[in-house]
Amino acid sequence: QLQLQESGPGLVKPSETLSLTCTVSGDSISGTSYYWGWIRQPPEKGLEWIGSVYYSGSTYYNPSLKSRVTISVDTSTNQISLWLNSVTAADTAVYYCARHDRAADASDIWGQGTMVTVSS
Amino acid sequence: QSALTQPASVSGSPGQSITISCTGTSSDVGSYNLVSWYQQYPGKAPKLMIYEIIKRSSGVSNRFSGSKSGNTASLTISGLQAEDEADYYCCSYAGSNTWIFGGGTKLTVL
Repeated sequence: QLQLQESGPGLVKPSETLSLTCTVSGDSISGTSYYWGWIRQPPEKGLEWIGSVYYSGSTYYNPSLKSRVTISVDTSTNQISLWLNSVTAADTAVYYCARHDRAADASDIWGQGTMVTVSS
Repeated sequence: QSALTQPASVSGSPGQSITISCTGTSSDVGSYNLVSWYQQYPGKAPKLMIYEIIKRSSGVSNRFSGSKSGNTASLTISGLQAEDEADYYCCSYAGSNTWIFGGGTKLTVL
């Protein structure tokens, strides 16, 4: 069945760039029915939508993060990537990737999440 | 974009019904029938429960139901069970291919 797995450094220094990859297995990410998104959750806080990407490369970002975020898709490797620059302690969070069903307009499959701490 | 407003906590006894509200604005919840609800256990990824206001995701108990009135969406859990104790988040489409989550509600089963 479809699985999503996030990977990347667990520790990033302030002012540097956070970089994560989501590897999708069990199906191709080239389907027209889905967006692929990143959502984060700071410790003991709620969920925040970061942004989404379509298989064609079209991207959509949270306005509050847009100036610092880049999301891309690589259909040859079935991976989605997230870059967040100029990080601060406020960017410390569990980062999830998720499949967003366009018809249902909901994220129906989630990765397990990966914790990223911003600290010197 | 401000987070949708949810009560920080709700509680109920086994067998009872509870409702969690999710209040947005005329730019998000009020404009689209595209609100989804997620259940999250501690240390786990969220799980889709309800989408498009009222539709249950595959395998979700019919004890879970959704509704919307104006700028407020609601999740109702009937016949409360111990396993329902979790955090619940709403999410709404907010236009221009953007989405916004609620702040989350901790459900305690007494």
